[in-house]
Amino acid sequence: NAGVTQTPKFRVLKTGQSMTLLCAQDMNHEYMYWYRQDPGMGLRLIHYSVGEGTTAKGEVPDGYNVSRLKKQNFLLGLESAAPSQTSVYFCASSYRWGTEAFFGQGTRLTVV
Amino acid sequence: AQKITQTQPGMFVQEKEAVTLDCTYDTSDQSYGLFWYKQPSSGEMIFLIYQGSYDEQNATEGRYSLNFQKARKSANLVISASQLGDSAMYFCAIRGRNRDDKIIFGKGTRLHILP
Repeated sequence: NAGVTQTPKFRVLKTGQSMTLLCAQDMNHEYMYWYRQDPGMGLRLIHYSVGEGTTAKGEVPDGYNVSRLKKQNFLLGLESAAPSQTSVYFCASSYRWGTEAFFGQGTRLTVV
Repeated sequence: AQKITQTQPGMFVQEKEAVTLDCTYDTSDQSYGLFWYKQPSSGEMIFLIYQGSYDEQNATEGRYSLNFQKARKSANLVISASQLGDSAMYFCAIRGRNRDDKIIFGKGTRLHILP
């Protein structure tokens, strides 16, 4: 029972490079979320999805794109990485309103 | 728009004492849910407790209880008989009831349990 799995766990990028973070869940959840965590800032929502084929902007969407082509996967893309995107990224999923979100183990991204 | 405010950046509590972590929220929704998560130093996010806005009783889960005061828009987490393993970061979060509502987190409170 894997739950929510994020790939990769660690990554170092050079400024201007692109990359995609993969989130996969095996719980048949409708909702999926991408957050970033920075010291003193808590978790801030980047983008989220309320179902397959849908995406919506969160609190800090600039510089990121997402796709939800399959229900179980939610991809977060950085087209041109910047040092300000150095952070820990968390993916989460939930079944429906009134239920908790389950989190992945996080991805530590450093942009140099 | 929804907002969570956690005013205590850090707290130090003696082991075995009870501790209250503050959380106030702002929302225009009539129906919403409030969550608390724990993040130990290992980094994973652990769900602790949930309170629905129309729940008549305060939620409890083992040593965790949620002091929900709807009129004051507060949802404080109470940990009874604190243990060393309770040392962690604690996040309060809110979620509206509309289909496209997201889960918004506060900035967190770092709790240190002293032996």
